[in-house]
Amino acid sequence: DSGVTQTPKHLITATGQRVTLRCSPRSGDLSVYWYQQSLDQGLQFLIQYYNGEERAKGNILERFSAQQFPDLHSELNLSSLELGDSALYFCASSGTDIYEQYFGPGTRLTVT
Amino acid sequence: QQQVKQSPQSLIVQKGGISIINCAYENTAFDYFPWYQQFPGKGPALLIAIRPDVSEKKEGRFTISFNKSAKQFSLHIMDSQPGDSATYFCAASSTGSGYSTLTFGKGTMLLVSP
Repeated sequence: DSGVTQTPKHLITATGQRVTLRCSPRSGDLSVYWYQQSLDQGLQFLIQYYNGEERAKGNILERFSAQQFPDLHSELNLSSLELGDSALYFCASSGTDIYEQYFGPGTRLTVT
Repeated sequence: QQQVKQSPQSLIVQKGGISIINCAYENTAFDYFPWYQQFPGKGPALLIAIRPDVSEKKEGRFTISFNKSAKQFSLHIMDSQPGDSATYFCAASSTGSGYSTLTFGKGTMLLVSP
């Protein structure tokens, strides 16, 4: 158990809808990262927050957004969902050693 | 552009054998090279990592070999066990901007046969 929690575990929704994925980092970790894992693209970095501020952006679509709250939990918002957005979404966190990222169990999103 | 190339895609090793997974990178700014292990239905778990100032790092049965000039690194699993059957991902990151984001290889599915 990495100490990173994610909810929900599974999410099934229809095209065009909007969903919110939630992540709580390990106790004391200030950085939160979001990754998408799909069969064709593998594990891809989406976005990073550090203590409430956006730090880095990867291959994140404009339809996706994220934020980190004062209690350090983070939410990833996915809107206007398409079939191709079906994937596993992982949150990771890191602490004083910014290199070491610890992953949560993921949220499996299925868009029908 | 795939910045971290991983091979093989899949690997079958007999119990007690050595599993070897290779990765090559292109970005010379990368300065941290971790390996992650992922079991079905779980998130990736940090297994072992190396920085480019050393050529080898060993933790138990797991060893990373690093060749800076060739821009390659590999994971060796000694005395492979059925419980090691999982997908392994190499990754790389650079911290030049004060933060670290991981670029992953495509993964290797390892099956250790009893």
